[in-house]
Amino acid sequence: ETGVTQSPTHLIKTRGQQVTLRCSSQSGHNTVSWYQQALGQGPQFIFQYYREEENGRGNFPPRFSGLQFPNYSSELNVNALELDDSALYLCASSLGTRGGETQYFGPGTRLLVL
Amino acid sequence: RKEVEQDPGPFNVPEGATVAFNCTYSNSASQSFFWYRQDCRKEPKLLMSVYSSGNEDGRFTAQLNRASQYISLLIRDSKLSDSATYLCVVNPRYSGGGADGLTFGKGTHLIIQP
Repeated sequence: ETGVTQSPTHLIKTRGQQVTLRCSSQSGHNTVSWYQQALGQGPQFIFQYYREEENGRGNFPPRFSGLQFPNYSSELNVNALELDDSALYLCASSLGTRGGETQYFGPGTRLLVL
Repeated sequence: RKEVEQDPGPFNVPEGATVAFNCTYSNSASQSFFWYRQDCRKEPKLLMSVYSSGNEDGRFTAQLNRASQYISLLIRDSKLSDSATYLCVVNPRYSGGGADGLTFGKGTHLIIQP
């Protein structure tokens, strides 16, 4: 296994609510990236955190936000949930940000928005 | 044009056969390339990195053609356990302005039949 953990494993929310997802990176990894995977699609990059700061962002609205803590664990927060936010949310840890580093994925959190 | 394009399949292949997948990518500045494997309702797992010189890992061979922006994966002597979705993944050049994250294709679904 990769050593990347995520919680919770499953979550059901209603439209308009807020959600926080958590990720613990692999030991020694200082970079966490978050991805959204809708059914039948490949994962889409949300953002990346490096040394507690956002280091890059994909095409997601500001209601998707995050944090990284001194121990390199990370949170993904989504406000004002919409039905289309239903997806598998994956975090991936890696070492460094030069590009090309292998990213190791956690098991994901399945979010269902009703 | 989509950033990473793959034939979604499914590819139905008898056990023991050889199967090949291809993908194309649009960003000529892309820096690194990977194949990930994803089992149903699981996270993506790194299968192998892809290099211009070609690389082999047991029954798996990957090849990159930068001029044609084309990546391939060959699986020889396929096993039932090879049944999965294979994701072609590209890591764009790190621009210095922030990470771009991994760019995934939609995946190719492979079914190995006994």
